[in-house]
Amino acid sequence: EAQVTQNPRYLITVTGKKLTVTCSQNMNHEYMSWYRQDPGLGLRQIYYSMNVEVTDKGDVPEGYKVSRKEKRNFPLILESPSPNQTSLYFCASSLSTLNNEQFFGPGTRLTVL
Amino acid sequence: QQPVQSPQAVILREGEDAVINCSSSKALYSVHWYRQKHGEAPVFLMILLKGGEQKGHEKISASFNEKKQQSSLYLTASQLSYSGTYFCGTETSGGSYIPTFGRGTSLIVHP
Repeated sequence: EAQVTQNPRYLITVTGKKLTVTCSQNMNHEYMSWYRQDPGLGLRQIYYSMNVEVTDKGDVPEGYKVSRKEKRNFPLILESPSPNQTSLYFCASSLSTLNNEQFFGPGTRLTVL
Repeated sequence: QQPVQSPQAVILREGEDAVINCSSSKALYSVHWYRQKHGEAPVFLMILLKGGEQKGHEKISASFNEKKQQSSLYLTASQLSYSGTYFCGTETSGGSYIPTFGRGTSLIVHP
């Protein structure tokens, strides 16, 4: 089944404890991206990647890191999480520039205490 | 920069029509529309490319006015299943080919 998977789905952590949210797609998509969703603010883009080893900042990249060492994986790293990073995170992928329908993962709900 | 969606919320009865608007301050290459049910991920509805194209998906259609940098989503004869939050995502010319999403429009359809 073609899909985008994220792990974990739910995470409660404490301020300053490094964490990684994994994202993997099995559709051989070139493009991958991370969004955070907060009430009233919609989906805001954190980082995106247009290919392996090619990443760029979105609109709200502060406090986040990403890497794209393999085409299928695009982990989101929070080196020192803070309470303002409490949010619902979505990973998405799309095939190419000519067909860029976004396929979203199920989401990861993160709470930072 | 996020596109602006209006209205923020719409409440309808089954069978009524609704229009959701999306506007950008920058020249647009394309507009995406997605629907998100509560507790779920956004799901793709359609993409419109510049050229004033109109597309349809069941009783949901959309238009794209390149000159006005706007798109509108039309929901005809609303069904209960149409309830959710609708997001437009815009790509600007020379951009990353990954859409920037608006804040969403909450649509509630009552029996």
